[in-house]
Amino acid sequence: KNEVEQSPQNLTAQEGEFITINCSYSVGISALHWLQQHPGGGIVSLFMLSSGKKKHGRLIATINIQEKHSSLHITASHPRDSAVYICAVSSTGNQFYFGTGTSLTVIP
Amino acid sequence: DTAVSQTPKYLVTQMGNDKSIKCEQNLGHDTMYWYKQDSKKFLKIMFSYNNKELIINETVPNRFSPKSPDKAHLNLHINSLELGDSAVYFCASSHRTGDGYTFGSGTRLTVV
Repeated sequence: KNEVEQSPQNLTAQEGEFITINCSYSVGISALHWLQQHPGGGIVSLFMLSSGKKKHGRLIATINIQEKHSSLHITASHPRDSAVYICAVSSTGNQFYFGTGTSLTVIP
Repeated sequence: DTAVSQTPKYLVTQMGNDKSIKCEQNLGHDTMYWYKQDSKKFLKIMFSYNNKELIINETVPNRFSPKSPDKAHLNLHINSLELGDSAVYFCASSHRTGDGYTFGSGTRLTVV
């Protein structure tokens, strides 16, 4: 079992839909990261969270430390949001664990 | 100017060769990382350096050796390349706190 589990693995949405990607982890963490990998392969860091909620444009990330769970929300989804979204955690033991990613396709 | 630059972007080499991938960041970050992404697109951390000192060294073969001449550079040397080393290798950097995480564009290594 991975230290970081994401769901769903694959997600197809119509343009304009509200999207949620979930991440659960089993280790103590110092921070949780949400990454975006575009079809061309480049990786972009979207958020780093240690508590609460962060918002950037149409993207919102939340974390519940007690439940060891984080969600990434995309409001008013757009085809350019199509990418793989990866959850990763920096553990308190100075380790780094990645989820297997959620492949999102937004259809016009 | 590219914030985290890796070279080369593509590398095709024969088994048994020794190769290096270079990484440089101009963001003033304290910490640099190397990650491997396998054919199933699963990312795994290999090494992390903070101010030229190794802080994470995951279980990777000792054929892989990171070298950090200064805090803006973290190069990856691979000796005696094997077929299973074929992957995309990403360099990244961040502040010590983890803020400002920035990835390089990746180096696709193919061992034939």
